[in-house]
Amino acid sequence: QVQLQQSGPGLVKPSQTLSLTCDISGESVSSNRAAWNWIRQSPSRGLEWLGRTYYRSKWNNDYAMSVKSRITINPDTSKNQFSLQLRSVTPEDTAMYFCARMVGDQADRWGQGTLVTVSS
Amino acid sequence: EIVLTQSPATLSLSPGERATLSCRASQSVSTYFAWYQQKPGQSPRLLIFDASSRATGIPARFSGSGSGTDFTLTISSLEPEDFAVYYCQQRSDWPLTFGGGTKVEIK
Repeated sequence: QVQLQQSGPGLVKPSQTLSLTCDISGESVSSNRAAWNWIRQSPSRGLEWLGRTYYRSKWNNDYAMSVKSRITINPDTSKNQFSLQLRSVTPEDTAMYFCARMVGDQADRWGQGTLVTVSS
Repeated sequence: EIVLTQSPATLSLSPGERATLSCRASQSVSTYFAWYQQKPGQSPRLLIFDASSRATGIPARFSGSGSGTDFTLTISSLEPEDFAVYYCQQRSDWPLTFGGGTKVEIK
């Protein structure tokens, strides 16, 4: 049974970097069939896919255009986890952030969610 | 990007009644389409993938139909635990996009 456990701070100051980690159990982050995603949810933007990392003979990343200049998603094979970094945050980045496994581009496993507030 | 529009925004029904939720895509997504359920304080849960296939462990009262631009999620007889918000998602084109949700509430 694949499980995802998120960690990271719930409060980030404007202009700083939001950093979250998603620990994976029950499957390898290097799986050839899964992709590891970050999705956020806010009242103003609804559910918004942010990006993903996945291994298919080599590591690949895809990012949403709305955050492409500010986002990095990295796998960590030694810890079987992946991370999100979102730089230069503003109050508009306040949201519930979820990590999710996607197989066939639909999310069948989700982390518990982390509410991140951007405020000084 | 492909925009998904869900209707109605809110559906007020009683337990035992049939629920019909709709999602319309701004362009064809074939059957590259999924439905999720989200309860308060929880993460979304995959219900339906490829427009009509139930995910593992999803009861038979949930069914999905449609192709192209128009999709329907039907709950044949509402159980108390089915009152929640439902989202649609397309995977036909990048970026992946979600609908705005339909809240199924107790009448």
